[in-house]
Amino acid sequence: EAGVTQFPSHSVIEKGQTVTLRCDPISGHDNLYWYRRVMGKEIKFLLHFVKESKQDESGMPNNRFLAERTGGTYSTLKVQPAELEDSGVYFCASSQDISYNSPLHFGNGTRLTVT
Amino acid sequence: LAKTTQPISMDSYEGQEVNITCSHNNIATNDYITWYQQFPSQGPRFIIQGYKTKVTNEVASLFIPADRKSSTLSLPRVSLSDTAVYYCLVGFNTGFQKLVFGTGTRLLVSP
Repeated sequence: EAGVTQFPSHSVIEKGQTVTLRCDPISGHDNLYWYRRVMGKEIKFLLHFVKESKQDESGMPNNRFLAERTGGTYSTLKVQPAELEDSGVYFCASSQDISYNSPLHFGNGTRLTVT
Repeated sequence: LAKTTQPISMDSYEGQEVNITCSHNNIATNDYITWYQQFPSQGPRFIIQGYKTKVTNEVASLFIPADRKSSTLSLPRVSLSDTAVYYCLVGFNTGFQKLVFGTGTRLLVSP
């Protein structure tokens, strides 16, 4: 089966611009998660979708970040306007269900650089 | 969610067994212990998960003592390709999988 795919793999934008990251989860996985690693720090949870609904968005840093998952398939994470501190690697993950024996499958991430 | 503590780094040589211990003193009754592996420029990859005693799969073993306040990931006969960062996570079974990553252990395997 195809894994979790993220696009783009790298993005370099200027402060104040807008960037949209995309995540395609594994087919059939209702649960989709966004995480990010800001430079030099730990990987942090951003939010969790169950199908098209936001189950938990407690990790979203502020209202410049908007995540959507229309139709319960792929998801986008938009940063508008981007700030320097938004630089980092954004990971998407998916899982079939939320039980203990359904581990998360991660994509390879999108490296965002804001200059 | 339980906080975990791991060594920041470890060094080993090809063919040796590597044991990485993780402390999680405030693990909850319903929490599972999960280990992920991460290579540069890739996302974390699930290795193994357990609740108590010992779990073994094709790549690793996980040892969990009775009090569950720590766990040890064992990698038998490591190779150069096992050089990666290893993360121990607990709090998996919280109703939804809001994983909490610590700093991880950077394992370097040398020839």
